[in-house]
Amino acid sequence: DQQVKQNSPSLSVQEGRISILNCDYTNSMFDYFLWYKKYPAEGPTFLISISSIKDKNEDGRFTVFLNKSAKHLSLHIVPSQPGDSAVYFCAASPTGGFKTIFGAGTRLFVKA
Amino acid sequence: EAGVTQSPTHLIKTRGQQATLRCSPISGHTSVYWYQQALGLGLQFLLWYDEGEERNRGNFPPRFSGRQFPNYSSELNVNALELEDSALYLCASRLTGNSYGYTFGSGTRLTVV
Repeated sequence: DQQVKQNSPSLSVQEGRISILNCDYTNSMFDYFLWYKKYPAEGPTFLISISSIKDKNEDGRFTVFLNKSAKHLSLHIVPSQPGDSAVYFCAASPTGGFKTIFGAGTRLFVKA
Repeated sequence: EAGVTQSPTHLIKTRGQQATLRCSPISGHTSVYWYQQALGLGLQFLLWYDEGEERNRGNFPPRFSGRQFPNYSSELNVNALELEDSALYLCASRLTGNSYGYTFGSGTRLTVV
């Protein structure tokens, strides 16, 4: 039972354009959502998060949007840079963050 | 500050053998999580340890087990290895009750032949 779904295995974007990565979840008990970035041969690193009481959180070039009614969140990267090429994991946690559930990941390619 | 360290980096075992993977959390972090990333799949939750106790486990058979030591380091043991156990095993630590974000190690690549 996939509680967190990233339906796009990969995404290719031109440098300077916007990258939009999508994520859907099914469990209404999730109240905290996170995005992690993973380079080859490294562990995932925390990128940005959003609480369920918000619908938008911004950090530099990265913005996460949350639509609770649709159980959907997205990560926007503007402008995209070649160094952003990595696998991006969407994750969700219930209150307390004791068991974070991850999606399958989306591989982003940013072409120079 | 040292990050989460995992050893070994790579491990090759034959089917039926046992594998032991080790993890040292960030100093001061008392919670340790283990995740499996099989090829083409996301991070599957395996085990959560906190203050030396197993707090939760994912949907994995009992041959996946582990423990947490008094210094909060942790060990993951996989018995009776099967070919499909080949995966990247990631350890993460978190300061209990402080935040939702985990800090991951670089993982152990386990190959079962």
